[in-house]
Amino acid sequence: ETGVTQTPRHLVMGMTNKKSLKCEQHLGHNAMYWYKQSAKKPLELMFVYSLEERVENNSVPSRFSPECPNSSHLFLHLHTLQPEDSALYLCASSQDKGGYYGYTFGSGTRLTVV
Amino acid sequence: GDSVTQMEGPVTLSEEAFLTINCTYTATGYPSLFWYVQYPGEGLQLLLKATKADDKGSNKGFEATYRKETTSFHLEKGSVQVSDSAVYFCALSDRDFQKLVFGTGTRLLVSP
Repeated sequence: ETGVTQTPRHLVMGMTNKKSLKCEQHLGHNAMYWYKQSAKKPLELMFVYSLEERVENNSVPSRFSPECPNSSHLFLHLHTLQPEDSALYLCASSQDKGGYYGYTFGSGTRLTVV
Repeated sequence: GDSVTQMEGPVTLSEEAFLTINCTYTATGYPSLFWYVQYPGEGLQLLLKATKADDKGSNKGFEATYRKETTSFHLEKGSVQVSDSAVYFCALSDRDFQKLVFGTGTRLLVSP
């Protein structure tokens, strides 16, 4: 399978639940990213991993916990979320952290917190 | 830091009209420039890119030229279709800070 694959596509969770978002790429890319896209707001970069090491964490609340077990997989673990965390969560990957060649995005997970 | 400014939308056009979506940037180095498109319910897809001054990126009838003198990368298409309705994001590769910087996006609505 090519490209960046995100699962699940849709997720509804209660505020006390624990869930995980999964991202997988088989492009041989070295960097992976989590973005949050909320209605009427700019794209928010959440986390950056380069060669499986977290290199950026943009003041994201601790209820979001990323994990990068290898260069092909990236997870976002969610617990005790708030309704304002409802958004489209996008995963991306790139050959290099600088994105000289651009990023490849997944289709996203639409998260609804109830 | 580096930044990207896009025209606010929505841009509303009739089918077969000419499209321009403006994008200007501020950068200290020599970034690569990109246009991404996001269709409803989907992630962002790379539409075209240019890596140096005067380069023209093109794809699916869309074009953009890297203009260093005006720090611009405007997106154009000669004849839009209803299927082009989407949100378009301009972006630059900020190599000093080593990440992609996105504009806020411009929604395009094309009516038959």
